[in-house]
Amino acid sequence: AQKVTQAQTEISVVEKEDVTLDCVYETRDTTYYLFWYKQPPSGELVFLIRRNSFDEQNEISGRYSWNFQKSTSSFNFTITASQVVDSAVYFCALSDDNDYKLSFGAGTTVTVRA
Amino acid sequence: NAGVMQNPRHLVRRRGQEARLRCSPVKGHSHVYWYRQLPEEGLKFMVYLQKENIIDESGMPKERFSAEFPKEGPSILRIQQVVRGDSAAYFCASSPRWDPEITEAFFGQGTRLTVV
Repeated sequence: AQKVTQAQTEISVVEKEDVTLDCVYETRDTTYYLFWYKQPPSGELVFLIRRNSFDEQNEISGRYSWNFQKSTSSFNFTITASQVVDSAVYFCALSDDNDYKLSFGAGTTVTVRA
Repeated sequence: NAGVMQNPRHLVRRRGQEARLRCSPVKGHSHVYWYRQLPEEGLKFMVYLQKENIIDESGMPKERFSAEFPKEGPSILRIQQVVRGDSAAYFCASSPRWDPEITEAFFGQGTRLTVV
C-alpha cells in the first residue's frame, strides 16, 4: 500500500528565510512517481514537479529545489529566500507505475511573514 | 487553452438536498478523476472515469454518491441527501489517457461544498 507522510503540519518563516518541507513515502513498487503541488489561499492545485523513481538527480527551478533520496524514501522540497506569495499549503503525492491514483500527504501549511 | 473547469466554485446545500458538481476536462481528454479534500486533510481519490465508463470507484462512499462521464457534456459527481460530513472541496482532474509518463493530470480549481 502507498503512503505519504508530511510530518510538518505548519511552518512559519520570515520573508527571505529558506524553508524545507519534508516528504516521506512508502511503496512496494520499484517504479513510482512523486509529485509536489501547491495550494494557495485561492484553493486551486498548482502542479510543481513530477519525478520518477529512476531519476534521483536533484532538481532546481528558480527558488525551488527538490532533494530525492531513495535510500531514505524521501522527496524534500526547499524554497530559498521565501516570499509572501509562497504562503500556501504544499502537498506531496505518490503514484505507482501501475496505478493512476495519486496518494497525497496531509499537506504542510507554509506562512511567510513580511 | 482552457484547463479543467469545475463549477460551481462554491456550493451551499441544506442537509438532505442533492449536490451536483460538474467537471469539464481539458479539451481532448477522455479520462477524469475525482478527489475529495476534507478540512485539514490531503486529497483522497474517489473515482476514475472514461467516457461513458466507470473504471474505478473504489474511493467512493457506497451510498449517496455517484459519478458519470457521458459521451457528451461534463462529468458529474452527484451527492444525494447531503450530510454535514460531505462538506469538503471536490477536485476533478483530467488526462488524455492513463500513462504515468505524461506530465501530470491537470486539476481543476475545485468545488467547495458546504452543507448547512
